[in-house]
Amino acid sequence: DAGVIQSPRHEVTEMGQEVTLRCKPISGHNSLFWYRQTMMRGLELLIYFNNNVPIDDSGMPEDRFSAKMPNASFSTLKIQPSEPRDSAVYFCASKIAEGSYEQYFGPGTRLTVT
Amino acid sequence: AQSVAQPEDQVNVAEGNPLTVKCTYSVSGNPYLFWYVQYPNRGLQFLLKYITGDNLVKGSYGFEAEFNKSQTSFHLKKPSALVSDSALYFCAVREYGGATNKLIFGTGTLLAVQP
Repeated sequence: DAGVIQSPRHEVTEMGQEVTLRCKPISGHNSLFWYRQTMMRGLELLIYFNNNVPIDDSGMPEDRFSAKMPNASFSTLKIQPSEPRDSAVYFCASKIAEGSYEQYFGPGTRLTVT
Repeated sequence: AQSVAQPEDQVNVAEGNPLTVKCTYSVSGNPYLFWYVQYPNRGLQFLLKYITGDNLVKGSYGFEAEFNKSQTSFHLKKPSALVSDSALYFCAVREYGGATNKLIFGTGTLLAVQP
């Protein structure tokens, strides 16, 4: 199993640009989570999906952030326009069906907005 | 509201000595508890979980955790630390209620094992 795949691994962009982060969950997992990790705020849940449907987006910081999951094997997190305070490591995680609660994390995307 | 607390930002231990990373929880109902480890520049890796059953749970890399209901604790332990165990450790609890799949993570404890 390849595990959760995220791309790109590193992204450097200028303030105001659009950024799209990508995630491929583990095959057969039906829940997908987007997290953000910073030194100041630690690990924050941004949004999660069950069966491709957004369930809880209360962690999304503001309207500049949006996430989609068009099918069971792909999700995107978009920031438009990006700001320096968005600089962080963004993780995607997936979880198998009901009855199992542990999540499996991808390697993360390190975003730097200058 | 559910929460976990990791009272120590950093734990230092000499290689070969036993280690303990502390976690306390606050939940409504029966807790589902987890430990994760994060190595530098990597994602979090699942170590072990407590759902029900034996209070002593064994996990990956020789780690174990003890669930203590009276003290609302779920401390991570290892009998003999390795330098390669140096990493950031997170305790987490499943958010209780409904069909939620959310895990609530602690702030993390940095474990430093000195050779």
